[in-house]
Amino acid sequence: AQSVTQPDIHITVSEGASLELRCNYSYGATPYLFWYVQSPGQGLQLLLKYFSGDTLVQGIKGFEAEFKRSQSSFNLRKPSVHWSDAAEYFCAVGASTGTASKLTFGTGTRLQVTL
Amino acid sequence: GAVVSQHPSWVICKSGTSVKIECRSLDFQATTMFWYRQFPKQSLMLMATSNEGSKATYEQGVEKDKFLINHASLTLSTLTVTSAHPEDSSFYICSARGAGVAFFGPGTRLTVL
Repeated sequence: AQSVTQPDIHITVSEGASLELRCNYSYGATPYLFWYVQSPGQGLQLLLKYFSGDTLVQGIKGFEAEFKRSQSSFNLRKPSVHWSDAAEYFCAVGASTGTASKLTFGTGTRLQVTL
Repeated sequence: GAVVSQHPSWVICKSGTSVKIECRSLDFQATTMFWYRQFPKQSLMLMATSNEGSKATYEQGVEKDKFLINHASLTLSTLTVTSAHPEDSSFYICSARGAGVAFFGPGTRLTVL
């Protein structure tokens, strides 16, 4: 069974500082990996995804993530955090890109940005 | 990207009543949609997979008679919480996959008094 671990429940960074959110997955075959962001009381917005190819993927809002198969990781990074990045971040893994394929989510990491 | 809408965005109801939540894919067709439940400060818990033209597939522990799902068309799925009780209060989110990516609705906040 597929699973996702986000070790950090809560992270606080200063505005302008760099950010890295950790994500580890467990899946037997090639994983399809996603990062979503959720603002309070809102749905989820896709930041970026990895299906295949280049292991460093670029997303929206200046985010990037690197797929490391040897470490079963898909960490999210941003060079300089903005106050508006404060939100909940979820890493997810899917068995395929098919429309009927379920996603498994991590428990989320809440990002707080101090000014 | 693709847009998924939900209606209503929030609802308050009395215990014992039923509440219907709609999920629509606005600019793409979705043969499959997913319904999640999210408790405060927790992750999303998949409740069921909604299949157009057939019965929904429920996750273990989810009461199918409690949470009725209907996928009436390629752009509409509904979740009905029957005989709602306070413990059903939660944030319900639907999603649909298009081009391999899951797009999420904005969620529906249900409060049962």
